[in-house]
Amino acid sequence: ILNVEQSPQSLHVQEGDSTNFTCSFPSSNFYALHWYRWETAKSPEALFVMTLNGDEKKKGRISATLNTKEGYSYLYIKGSQPEDSATYLCALSNSGYALNFGKGTSLLVTP
Amino acid sequence: NAGVTQTPKFRVLKTGQSMTLLCAQDMNHEYMYWYRQDPGMGLRLIHYSVGEGTTAKGEVPDGYNVSRLKKQNFLLGLESAAPSQTSVYFCASSYEGDLGEAFFGQGTRLTVV
Repeated sequence: ILNVEQSPQSLHVQEGDSTNFTCSFPSSNFYALHWYRWETAKSPEALFVMTLNGDEKKKGRISATLNTKEGYSYLYIKGSQPEDSATYLCALSNSGYALNFGKGTSLLVTP
Repeated sequence: NAGVTQTPKFRVLKTGQSMTLLCAQDMNHEYMYWYRQDPGMGLRLIHYSVGEGTTAKGEVPDGYNVSRLKKQNFLLGLESAAPSQTSVYFCASSYEGDLGEAFFGQGTRLTVV
């Protein structure tokens, strides 16, 4: 069982604010790191899959970075919108077969 | 395009009863997973499969069995339901294991009374 820590647990920002979350993980035996977005009453949807140290990925206003040597990944949201309100999950693999999920960061964006 | 479909969406069981949850995917994915989601916990892996005819234990396998007789289906069985198995169950599939994104079903809310 891999210990995947996400912070903060929850976050409340105003529309237009930029924000970021952290995912921390053991740096040994790293295989892949995933970010998922999970809206209430829906299923988790993949944002990014990252495998290389130094990876940076971007999808619209959302981007992520990866540091496998120090064991962390950041997820950034630029100019938050109410539709960005969701729980953001980080998941780590060290085997190639199965993901270990963190507890998530719950984001609320108010107009 | 259905993706990953779970059946049923809701179920209430009495303690000791058995049931099977069905997960079906139409994306020809090799890897399939069963997770449970409990308040204050992350998604926890119950069992997984890396291909037709294979299964393996995850983090919390006790009290559950699985079968992958056909590539597109992954069944999760509760042998004798207990209140501790009250949870929301999610099935997922992936083409490339952990190198590829996982696609999730809509979840099954199970209550054991």
